[in-house]
Amino acid sequence: AQTVTQSQPEMSVQEAETVTLSCTYDTSENNYYLFWYKQPPSRQMILVIRQEAYKQQNATENRFSVNFQKAAKSFSLKISDSQLGDTAMYFCAFMKYTSGTYKYIFGTGTRLKVLA
Amino acid sequence: EPEVTQTPSHQVTQMGQEVILRCVPISNHLYFYWYRQILGQKVEFLVSFYNNEISEKSEIFDDQFSVERPDGSNFTLKIRSTKLEDSAMYFCASFRDYSSEQYFGPGTRLTVT
Repeated sequence: AQTVTQSQPEMSVQEAETVTLSCTYDTSENNYYLFWYKQPPSRQMILVIRQEAYKQQNATENRFSVNFQKAAKSFSLKISDSQLGDTAMYFCAFMKYTSGTYKYIFGTGTRLKVLA
Repeated sequence: EPEVTQTPSHQVTQMGQEVILRCVPISNHLYFYWYRQILGQKVEFLVSFYNNEISEKSEIFDDQFSVERPDGSNFTLKIRSTKLEDSAMYFCASFRDYSSEQYFGPGTRLTVT
């Protein structure tokens, strides 16, 4: 069974600094997708970034980038130039196609606090 | 910007009552999901729905739960007899296919008293 592990329950970072959130996953699949979602206090789930497993190049979205290590099954999120608005829960998620549907599995989340 | 909508935003109900949570997915999406998030915990998959039937359901999704897409636009989650432990945030999500983003609705906070 697939699992997603986020080993850092809480992290903090100074405004304008860089922070990296860790995520590891376990799967025997070769084709899958990985995501980072942000959940601010409003509890809305917002997609931050996605990575296709078949792509070697790490995904980047403005200040957000990932370090995807397929062999190590690691998918970390780097936030550069952290802003107060980045304060939120961050969930790593794994998706694969199975039995006619797409299955998503979420990690337990990392609570990030950006300090002024 | 397309969006998934959910109603109500907050529902308070007494234990044993039936509740129906409503979602309107994005119109050209084909895959629909319900997730649950107990306060402070992770997002848990409940059920996926494709081609007018359940594709997969988790162990949480027992006989007390059901889903429907009655009219081609609404996607509902019914809990027949609510329990205290059903108190959670319920998210609806949809997407078109693997290459597209999964869009989440804003959630319905269900409080069972």
